[in-house]
Amino acid sequence: DTGVSQDPRHKITKRGQNVTFRCDPISEHNRLYWYRQTLGQGPEFLTYFQNEAQLEKSRLLSDRFSAERPKGSFSTLEIQRTEQGDSAMYLCASSLASFSTDREDQPQHFGDGTRLSIL
Amino acid sequence: RKEVEQDPGPFNVPEGATVAFNCTYSNSASQSFFWYRQDCRKEPKLLMSVYSSGNEDGRFTAQLNRASQYISLLIRDSKLSDSATYLCAVNPSPFSGGYNKLIFGAGTRLAVHP
Repeated sequence: DTGVSQDPRHKITKRGQNVTFRCDPISEHNRLYWYRQTLGQGPEFLTYFQNEAQLEKSRLLSDRFSAERPKGSFSTLEIQRTEQGDSAMYLCASSLASFSTDREDQPQHFGDGTRLSIL
Repeated sequence: RKEVEQDPGPFNVPEGATVAFNCTYSNSASQSFFWYRQDCRKEPKLLMSVYSSGNEDGRFTAQLNRASQYISLLIRDSKLSDSATYLCAVNPSPFSGGYNKLIFGAGTRLAVHP
C-alpha cells in the first residue's frame, strides 16, 4: 500500500524539548498538508505545500512551528520549545492538484498521524 | 459562528436503520465538499466527495444544498461497522482546483447497536 506515511506514530516528550515529525505523501501527489487534531474536534489546518513551495500557513502555526518540504516529496514539521498545549494528533494529508475547471477538487488522503504528548 | 458546524450526536440507532447527518457551512463561495469517516484514535478516511448533483455509493448518499448552505449524508441499512465519527469538510476556495485546505466540522458520532 502506497498511502500517506507518518513517522513516528507516537511521541512523548518533556515540555521545552524540540520534536520533528516526518510525512511521506502518496508518490504522485504534489500537494501536502499538515493538520492538528485535538480530542472532540475536527482536524485544524496548519499549512500546505505545493511541490516544495509552502503556500499557506494558518495563524495557528506560531513561530515555534516550522514545516519544510525541501525536494517536493517528504515533509517535516518541527515544533520547538514544546508546550503542553501542543499535545495533539498531527495529521499529514496529500492530494493531486487539479487545475482544470472541469474537474472536481481531488480529495485529500490522510496518514495515520503522529500523536504527541507533552509531559 | 463556526465555519463548518455539525451536530455532535451521538446518534444511537439500531442495525438496519436509516440515519442522516447534516453539516452547515458559512462561506457561500465554497465549491468542494467531502465526508470523512474517523474511527476512534485513527486518521480520517475519505468516505465520499459531495458533488453538486449529489452522489451515491452503495448505502451512502451525499447531497449538497447550496441555497441553505448545508451538505447531508444518508446511511441506509446501518451496520455495526458504521459506528464511527463522521466529519464533513469544506474547501473554502471559490475556485475548483484552487487552494484546497479543508475546514472540518467537529464531527457527528454514530453508534449502531444490535
